[in-house]
Amino acid sequence: DGGITQSPKYLFRKEGQNVTLSCEQNLNHDAMYWYRQDPGQGLRLIYYSQIVNDFQKGDIAEGYSVSREKKESFPLTVTSAQKNPTAFYLCASSWGQGSTEAFFGQGTRLTVV
Amino acid sequence: DQQVKQNSPSLSVQEGRISILNCDYTNSMFDYFLWYKKYPAEGPTFLISISSIKDKNEDGRFTVFLNKSAKHLSLHIVPSQPGDSAVYFCAANVAGGGADGLTFGKGTHLIIQP
Repeated sequence: DGGITQSPKYLFRKEGQNVTLSCEQNLNHDAMYWYRQDPGQGLRLIYYSQIVNDFQKGDIAEGYSVSREKKESFPLTVTSAQKNPTAFYLCASSWGQGSTEAFFGQGTRLTVV
Repeated sequence: DQQVKQNSPSLSVQEGRISILNCDYTNSMFDYFLWYKKYPAEGPTFLISISSIKDKNEDGRFTVFLNKSAKHLSLHIVPSQPGDSAVYFCAANVAGGGADGLTFGKGTHLIIQP
């Protein structure tokens, strides 16, 4: 089955700690994305990558970091510099430049305790 | 500055009736529009889209209408079913712009009542 897998589904972190969210896709998509959703808010773009070993900041990149060492994987690290990290994080992928649709994973709920 | 607006945070519709979800946009460069459906604690799934060269696109019970002059689109679901209860996000993009150009509205929570 092709798809996007995010893990874990729920994650708890102590304040001041970094945490990495996993995202893997087997759709052979070139582009991958990380979004954040807060209650009553739309999806906001954190980072995106159009190709392996390259990534760009989205609208709300501060306090986050990413890597794209493999086409299938696009992990997101929420650092201690992110002031309000509790949110629902969504990973997505698409065919890349020219593709206007994104396909989403199931999401990771991060809670800072 | 919200470029895609869904002004109704929630909408309650009786089962079997028509559900109409509205979306307005301000950026005249947008020319491709999508609707996503999202259940709680799950990722959004693509529902239907429309290009600006059309004013209507239909897929089964779902129809999207686009009024470019008014910068307005709407999603019609008829007849509404219990499984349609979800949050619906309107999104806009420039055709061929890449999914990083997607701009989402805040969503409308559709509740289908039996």
